[in-house]
Amino acid sequence: NAGVTQTPKFQVLKTGQSMTLQCAQDMNHEYMSWYRQDPGMGLRLIHYSVGAGITDQGEVPNGYNVSRSTTEDFPLRLLSAAPSQTSVYFCASSRHVANTEAFFGQGTRLTVV
Amino acid sequence: QQQVKQSPQSLIVQKGGISIINCAYENTAFDYFPWYQQFPGKGPALLIAIRPDVSEKKEGRFTISFNKSAKQFSLHIMDSQPGDSATYFCAASPAQVGGKFQFGAGTQVVVTP
Repeated sequence: NAGVTQTPKFQVLKTGQSMTLQCAQDMNHEYMSWYRQDPGMGLRLIHYSVGAGITDQGEVPNGYNVSRSTTEDFPLRLLSAAPSQTSVYFCASSRHVANTEAFFGQGTRLTVV
Repeated sequence: QQQVKQSPQSLIVQKGGISIINCAYENTAFDYFPWYQQFPGKGPALLIAIRPDVSEKKEGRFTISFNKSAKQFSLHIMDSQPGDSATYFCAASPAQVGGKFQFGAGTQVVVTP
């Protein structure tokens, strides 16, 4: 049982480059989300989705795009990378019910130079 | 501005000692309060969670205490072990919005032998 799978694990980008962080889950969860983790700031919600075709912004959405064409996949796109986007990115999935556990991927460490 | 404030930022405890981490929240719509444990290079994983209709929940060596009137909750790790060395995040989510969490900034716990 793979759970939540993120690729790549590490990435270095130059300022202005674009890339897509991949996230896939095999638990048939309705809810998927992207967080970024920065020292001293915990995990901050970037974007989330409550089902295929439905996405919404979280706390820090600027500079990121998402789409949800299937239940399983929720890619995060950086349109024009900036050094401020250097962070560790986590994808999470859960059932869309109250009091639910979120399952996290292993993370993608992104460095923008 | 973080809606969930966590302290301390780090703590060192001797093996067998008690680790205590505190969190406070502002939003009275929050009604689910999980704690996540994160080891280096891994994604967070659910440790224990509580709802505000109980004041305490215990699972093994881990206990959550909850004070609804003060809008505070805490994690106690009894008989701390070196394997408990990790970063701990408190979180909160509102009812009917399963999966959408506000996280605290995290506490790095180091248990010395």
